[in-house]
Amino acid sequence: GAGVSQSPRYKVAKRGQDVALRCDPISGHVSLFWYQQALGQGPEFLTYFQNEAQLDKSGLPSDRFFAERPEGSVSTLKIQRTQQEDSAVYLCASSLETESNYGYTFGSGTRLTVV
Amino acid sequence: TQLLEQSPQFLSIQEGENLTVYCNSSSVFSSLQWYRQEPGEGPVLLVTVVTGGEVKKLKRLTFQFGDARKDSSLHITAAQPGDTGLYLCAVRGVDTGRRALTFGSGTRLQVQP
Repeated sequence: GAGVSQSPRYKVAKRGQDVALRCDPISGHVSLFWYQQALGQGPEFLTYFQNEAQLDKSGLPSDRFFAERPEGSVSTLKIQRTQQEDSAVYLCASSLETESNYGYTFGSGTRLTVV
Repeated sequence: TQLLEQSPQFLSIQEGENLTVYCNSSSVFSSLQWYRQEPGEGPVLLVTVVTGGEVKKLKRLTFQFGDARKDSSLHITAAQPGDTGLYLCAVRGVDTGRRALTFGSGTRLQVQP
């Protein structure tokens, strides 16, 4: 597609519920990133894929957070047993990312509200 | 302590005014990016600055990278309501081998018509 597509746009979950957030990156983009953005803050890194390999997951806040990209294109971020502090906008970005040029394209995000 | 400190946090101005926002750090970076994020959307890349002292212009927006590559500024001339949004600076690869971006907390700009 022309841009990075994320679904759903909005998700309301009851505390303790599991959720799955989807990201469709730009076709051909090797690198895919997930970020978490709390209200009034800048995005914070969660995890990074190069093709299907998860090369960096240092930003995942707990073992309740899990991400996958099994075929090197679509990615899913899963949050188990959601807590109120998980409420945030979850952004996905993809990039061609050569060493000299790293233009990141972000999706519109999924706003997760845990009640 | 934030790696990238952005100031001011909030700015509300009238259409036609000029403004400058800042992104400061004690660390040296090989490059720095500026993004604008509108409500309900993801950040959109405005510019990447690479060379110390570099100045880049994008219509009414002027970006400068500090000589020591520790800080950057964004100046907007004759602001328009369409400039309203969250302005974020970001750097890549803060840790060795890390490709992810680290963002500042942003400057929220509101331009009143």
